[in-house]
Amino acid sequence: NAGVTQTPKFRILKIGQSMTLQCAQDMNHNYMYWYRQDPGMGLKLIYYSVGAGITDKGEVPNGYNVSRSTTEDFPLRLELAAPSQTSVYFCASSLTRDMETQYFGPGTRLLVL
Amino acid sequence: AQTVTQSQPEMSVQEAETVTLSCTYDTSESDYYLFWYKQPPSRQMILVIRQEAYKQQNATENRFSVNFQKAAKSFSLKISDSQLGDAAMYFCAYRSARGNQFYFGTGTSLTVIP
Repeated sequence: NAGVTQTPKFRILKIGQSMTLQCAQDMNHNYMYWYRQDPGMGLKLIYYSVGAGITDKGEVPNGYNVSRSTTEDFPLRLELAAPSQTSVYFCASSLTRDMETQYFGPGTRLLVL
Repeated sequence: AQTVTQSQPEMSVQEAETVTLSCTYDTSESDYYLFWYKQPPSRQMILVIRQEAYKQQNATENRFSVNFQKAAKSFSLKISDSQLGDAAMYFCAYRSARGNQFYFGTGTSLTVIP
């Protein structure tokens, strides 16, 4: 049981490039989340999903897109990367909305230059 | 949106001593959950303790306990018998019982002095 996995661990992007951050969980969790953590700050929710085929915006969705075609995977797409998207990105999952505990992945550090 | 405030950017504690980290939050709701997460240098977020707002009894997990003051909207974390492995960033978080979003504070960096 690997829990929540994220790839890559670190990536450098040039301004205007695109990339997909991968997230997968093997716990059969319905709920999945993407957060970003800026230096010295807490986590801000970007997008979340309550099940396959269902996604919704969080606090800071601009510049990102997500999809949820399977229960296991929840990729985050960055289109036209900007320096403001330099951050550490965390994926998390939970079994249900009532299952308050979120299990976090190890994070992806993204640097946009 | 709800706000979570951690007013102590940095704290330090002597090994084996006790330290309290502060957290306040702002909400108009009556039913919600509160959490403390630990983030060590590995950046992995680890749940330390959680509290349901409808429960009057303060949550306890081994050396970690909370002081939940609902009327004051305060949720402090007490770490007893501090250990070197407790050194990390600690984040307070809020989630409504009705919503899907978590709201995090800006964190408190805890240093444990040998």
